[in-house]
Amino acid sequence: DAGVIQSPRHEVTEMGQEVTLRCKPISGHDYLFWYRQTMMRGLELLIYFNNNVPIDDSGMPEDRFSAKMPNASFSTLKIQPSEPRDSAVYFCASSFGGAHQPQHFGDGTRLSIL
Amino acid sequence: AQSVTQLDSHVSVSEGTPVLLRCNYSSSYSPSLFWYVQHPNKGLQLLLKYTSAATLVKGINGFEAEFKKSETSFHLTKPSAHMSDAAEYFCVVTRSGNTGKLIFGQGTTLQVKP
Repeated sequence: DAGVIQSPRHEVTEMGQEVTLRCKPISGHDYLFWYRQTMMRGLELLIYFNNNVPIDDSGMPEDRFSAKMPNASFSTLKIQPSEPRDSAVYFCASSFGGAHQPQHFGDGTRLSIL
Repeated sequence: AQSVTQLDSHVSVSEGTPVLLRCNYSSSYSPSLFWYVQHPNKGLQLLLKYTSAATLVKGINGFEAEFKKSETSFHLTKPSAHMSDAAEYFCVVTRSGNTGKLIFGQGTTLQVKP
């Protein structure tokens, strides 16, 4: 089975530009998570969805960040406008069957804001 | 409050020798616990999970972990390290309540010397 698919794998852009990260969860999974990983702060949960509905977005840093899940097989994380401090690796993960089930991670998007 | 502590930020072993990565947790309820591994430029991959069944859990690639409630520990072991085991390892605990949020340890970097 295909795992969690993220695109692009790498993104380099100038500050002020809009950035859109994409995620396709594992088919049949009902939870989707967006994380950010940096050396300084480690792995941080930004937002998660259950059955396409945002449940907790308390980890979203500020209004420049937004996430959507229009259907069960697709989600986006958008940063507008982007800033150099947004540079990080962004991971998408999905799980099935409840909050205590293991999450399956994509390979991440490495974002560099110049 | 719930927390997870990985007692070593860096562990170095020789190929063929045993591996021990230590994890202690604090929780007011009976959590599920996981160990994940992250290779460079990859997402987190589930090694094993404990969900209140057998206290000795076997995972992939020869890893296993023992849940000790009295010691609130969930240490990861492998009898014989392989060069391909060099990676970052995360101990992870679920939060109480029906939330998808996980608590991640700070990570332990495993170095395997030839």
